[in-house]
Amino acid sequence: AQSVAQPEDQVNVAEGNPLTVKCTYSVSGNPYLFWYVQYPNRGLQFLLKYITGDNLVKGSYGFEAEFNKSQTSFHLKKPSALVSDSALYFCAVGNAGKSTFGDGTTLTVKP
Amino acid sequence: DAGVTQSPTHLIKTRGQQVTLRCSPKSGHDTVSWYQQALGQGPQFIFQYYEEEERQRGNFPDRFSGHQFPNYSSELNVNALLLGDSALYLCASSSPLDTGYGYTFGSGTRLTVV
Repeated sequence: AQSVAQPEDQVNVAEGNPLTVKCTYSVSGNPYLFWYVQYPNRGLQFLLKYITGDNLVKGSYGFEAEFNKSQTSFHLKKPSALVSDSALYFCAVGNAGKSTFGDGTTLTVKP
Repeated sequence: DAGVTQSPTHLIKTRGQQVTLRCSPKSGHDTVSWYQQALGQGPQFIFQYYEEEERQRGNFPDRFSGHQFPNYSSELNVNALLLGDSALYLCASSSPLDTGYGYTFGSGTRLTVV
């Protein structure tokens, strides 16, 4: 079985500051890891993925994520937050066959 | 390039009724997955269709069924609706050629059961 934990329901940061949204996972074998973003009343949008290779993955809108196998973590990061980054973020493990999502973290970036 | 299209966007049904939701996948994608997203929760996998067959299924009762057509579009059917079926239903398309790439999601159908 595979599972994902997003330990923070809410993350608040000031515009221009770095942000981190945390994710830990559990899966047998090599993980496929994803981050998605969801805006109100919309579906999820793909941000980035880790399949193999470099532990630092770069994605859309300036986001990146760091894969840490020993800590089974895949934290989402951005060096300088924008107000427009405010949204609901989901971490997922799996592949296109079946993904298991966390319960999401609401990111609020204040001006 | 059209993304994933879902219809309707919203609907209200009464307990015990049946509902059909529809999905057209992104151009070039042949695999359709359905997810249920309850308020305040992450999406939960219902099932996946590929080559007109159900390939994987999550922990949902038989009241939830689906179909995939030759043009890769898909339907999700829910019978004997319960209040607890109220949720955002998301369709996601993908391609086996892009294994591990991730989904393209539609905007969802908001189902309210009263």
